[in-house]
Amino acid sequence: QVQLQESGPGLVKPSQTLSLTCTVSGGSINSGGYYWSWIRQHPGKGLEWIGNIYYSGSTYYNPSLKSRLTISIDTSKNRFSLKVSSVTAADTAVYYCARENALYGSGYYFDYWGQGTLVTVSS
Amino acid sequence: QSALTQPASVSGSPGQSITISCTGTSSDVGSYNLVSWYQQHPGKAPKLMIYEVSKRPSGISNRFSGSKSGNTASLTISGLQAEDEADYYCCSYAGSSTFDVFGTGTKVTVL
Repeated sequence: QVQLQESGPGLVKPSQTLSLTCTVSGGSINSGGYYWSWIRQHPGKGLEWIGNIYYSGSTYYNPSLKSRLTISIDTSKNRFSLKVSSVTAADTAVYYCARENALYGSGYYFDYWGQGTLVTVSS
Repeated sequence: QSALTQPASVSGSPGQSITISCTGTSSDVGSYNLVSWYQQHPGKAPKLMIYEVSKRPSGISNRFSGSKSGNTASLTISGLQAEDEADYYCCSYAGSSTFDVFGTGTKVTVL
């Protein structure tokens, strides 16, 4: 059973960089067919896809956030990370990591999710 | 990249059927049979209910079904039960430049 766990600071100051890590257990991050994804949910709002990374290092970003995003992968530690620069209060949200299943070039659905972590941007 | 449009709320009595719509464009829902649906209870992570428009993951009740016509996908919950009360989100693949786009979300209330 694949499990994902987010970790990182729960409080970030405005203009600083938000950094989160997602550790994967029960399966290898270094296998094809899956995109390792970040999704966020503003308080009381809907889900927003942030971006993802393939085991090869290829990344795909939400165009509206792209200029501030960096997603990286560490296959040796079976984890991937998110950095959002120049944060504002609008970046306050619950951040989820998830596995997007795209086996055989199809699917594209999120089959495993982390529990989510609340990140608050405040001075 | 605009969010897919869902009704804000849908309600039904126990045992009834309800349908949630998810309207996108010819660039996302209309172009790919890659719509998925997620159920989210308060304070919990979303849970996959339907993928590839109409497929159910193992362990998901057959009371949940999905379909698509043109730029609109739908999730139907039949035999509505109290535990179905939750928020539901659709999501569509939208090509390699945009990748994924979620719906605005629908709150399902069991009366």
